Amino acid sequence: DSGVTQTPKHLITATGQRVTLRCSPRSGDLSVYWYQQSLDQGLQFLIQYYNGEERAKGNILERFSAQQFPDLHSELNLSSLELGDSALYFCASSVGSGSSYNEQFFGPGTRLTVL
Amino acid sequence: GQNIDQPTEMTATEGAIVQINCTYQTSGFNGLFWYQQHAGEAPTFLSYNVLDGLEEKGRFSSFLSRSKGYSYLLLKELQMKDSASYLCAVRDRRGSYIPTFGRGTSLIVHP
Repeated sequence: DSGVTQTPKHLITATGQRVTLRCSPRSGDLSVYWYQQSLDQGLQFLIQYYNGEERAKGNILERFSAQQFPDLHSELNLSSLELGDSALYFCASSVGSGSSYNEQFFGPGTRLTVL
Repeated sequence: GQNIDQPTEMTATEGAIVQINCTYQTSGFNGLFWYQQHAGEAPTFLSYNVLDGLEEKGRFSSFLSRSKGYSYLLLKELQMKDSASYLCAVRDRRGSYIPTFGRGTSLIVHP
């Protein structure tokens, strides 16, 4: 158990819908990262937040957005869902950000299925 | 950007030794991670190399050569539970230090 929690574990929805994935980082970690993992793409970085502020952006679609709240939990919002959005979504957390060594601890993931 | 290459799949026998290679191209190298991921589960941290050389941790070792853009993960005394995907990830100063992951090497250990 990494100490990172994600809910829900599974999500099944229809095209065009909107969903929210939730992540709570390990106690003491200030950084939260979101990744998407599909069979053909591997683990793709989406976005990072550090202490409530957006810190880095990866291959995140405009239909997707995220935020980190004062209690440091984070939510990833996916809207206008398409079949291709079906994937495992992982949240990871680390103590810091930037150049210092930052081991990432991954949550168990949310498996999203878009029908 | 970064190019990270790993073999797609490898097979090995229980009790044997296997070496999983990773090559990368990056202009601002700042560390390389190896993660293990069982199917449908979260990646778990195995090792981190930032300087050249071999880091040993129990049955697992990781090697880095920055000049060659090359790393390998060595697994000794293979067990059936080592069947998993092994992900190589590289940190780049020019990429906000966020690790970029390779597609992973699926290791199958058979009796």
